[in-house]
Amino acid sequence: AQSVAQPEDQVNVAEGNPLTVKCTYSVSGNPYLFWYVQYPNRGLQFLLKYITGDNLVKGSYGFEAEFNKSQTSFHLKKPSALVSDSALYFCAVRGGGYGGSQGNLIFGKGTKLSVKP
Amino acid sequence: DAGVTQSPTHLIKTRGQQVTLRCSPKSGHDTVSWYQQALGQGPQFIFQYYEEEERQRGNFPDRFSGHQFPNYSSELNVNALLLGDSALYLCASSPQGDWNIQYFGAGTRLSVL
Repeated sequence: AQSVAQPEDQVNVAEGNPLTVKCTYSVSGNPYLFWYVQYPNRGLQFLLKYITGDNLVKGSYGFEAEFNKSQTSFHLKKPSALVSDSALYFCAVRGGGYGGSQGNLIFGKGTKLSVKP
Repeated sequence: DAGVTQSPTHLIKTRGQQVTLRCSPKSGHDTVSWYQQALGQGPQFIFQYYEEEERQRGNFPDRFSGHQFPNYSSELNVNALLLGDSALYLCASSPQGDWNIQYFGAGTRLSVL
């Protein structure tokens, strides 16, 4: 069964410092991986995805993620954190199956990112 | 171009009641998925609708049902509400033929008392 794990409930970073939010995955077959961000009282916003190709994926708002097949990881990174990056971040993997049954996303529990001035 | 819109924003019900939540997908999107997000948890997949039919379903009881209309909008119905149904219900839409990106609405906060 497909699953993702986010080992950190919270990550604290000083503004201007690099940030990393960790995600590991377990899938059968090729992984389709995603990062979403959720601000308070808002829905989820898509940041980036890995389907195939380069292991370093660039996304919205200066975020990027590194796919590492040997470590089954897909960590989210940003070179210089902003206070406005403070939010809840979710890693997700596309569900298994065939054809139309691949449409669902399986989310991790989320990591709260706190960026202090 | 409006994104995914959900109504109502908030809802308070009592145990045993029934509720209907509504979702309008982003323009050009024909696939709608519903997720339940309990407090402090990640969203959990309920079901997905495409061409007015339920295409896939997560691990939710039959009390949870849905519908998709010809204009691609969708409803989520929950019968015999339980306290544990209290959650944020998220609707997501996907463009035709591409399930890899799902665009989420702001959600409906359901409180069951």
